[in-house]
Amino acid sequence: NAGVMQNPRHLVRRRGQEARLRCSPMKGHSHVYWYRQLPEEGLKFMVYLQKENIIDESGMPKERFSAEFPKEGPSILRIQQVVRGDSAAYFCASSPGRSMDEQYFGPGTRLTVT
Amino acid sequence: AQRVTQPEKLLSVFKGAPVELKCNYSYSGSPELFWYVQYSRQRLQLLLRHISRESIKGFTADLNKGETSFHLKKPFAQEEDSAMYYCALSRGSQGNLIFGKGTKLSVKP
Repeated sequence: NAGVMQNPRHLVRRRGQEARLRCSPMKGHSHVYWYRQLPEEGLKFMVYLQKENIIDESGMPKERFSAEFPKEGPSILRIQQVVRGDSAAYFCASSPGRSMDEQYFGPGTRLTVT
Repeated sequence: AQRVTQPEKLLSVFKGAPVELKCNYSYSGSPELFWYVQYSRQRLQLLLRHISRESIKGFTADLNKGETSFHLKKPFAQEEDSAMYYCALSRGSQGNLIFGKGTKLSVKP
């Protein structure tokens, strides 16, 4: 089991462009969480998804950010019209099911907006 | 509001010395507390959780509901313990974790 995969590992975008971050959960895991880490900060929860459902998006900015976890394929975090303040490390975690299960983290995607 | 506080950004100790990484939380319900660790160039991984009451790599943590603390302790630090340590809280059924800002532990030879 390769663990949680995230790609790309590094992404550079100019202001106004779109950023797409992908997360493939561990085999057998149906729950995905996205977190954002700004410099000098801890990880901040963004969104919690199950296959084809958004369970909790209370941590997502109201505009420009969206997430999906389709029936087939990876989970996608999409940031439209990126701004410099979006520069951060974005981590994905997965768990097998129940909310109290351990979350397994991916290596993260470092987004830099120039 | 739910919050996790790790007051020390950096903790530096010598090999063989005891180490305590502090974590305080604010939560009105019954929280689930975790310690995650990130070694250099590795991904974040679970170190221990309070309900399991295990000792992992010599580390222990006791949940003190009166002081709302979940400090991480090890009696004799090793150089390989050098890493970033994050305390986290889960709000039970809601699944997502609330993290502290992390403490960087540096164990010197």
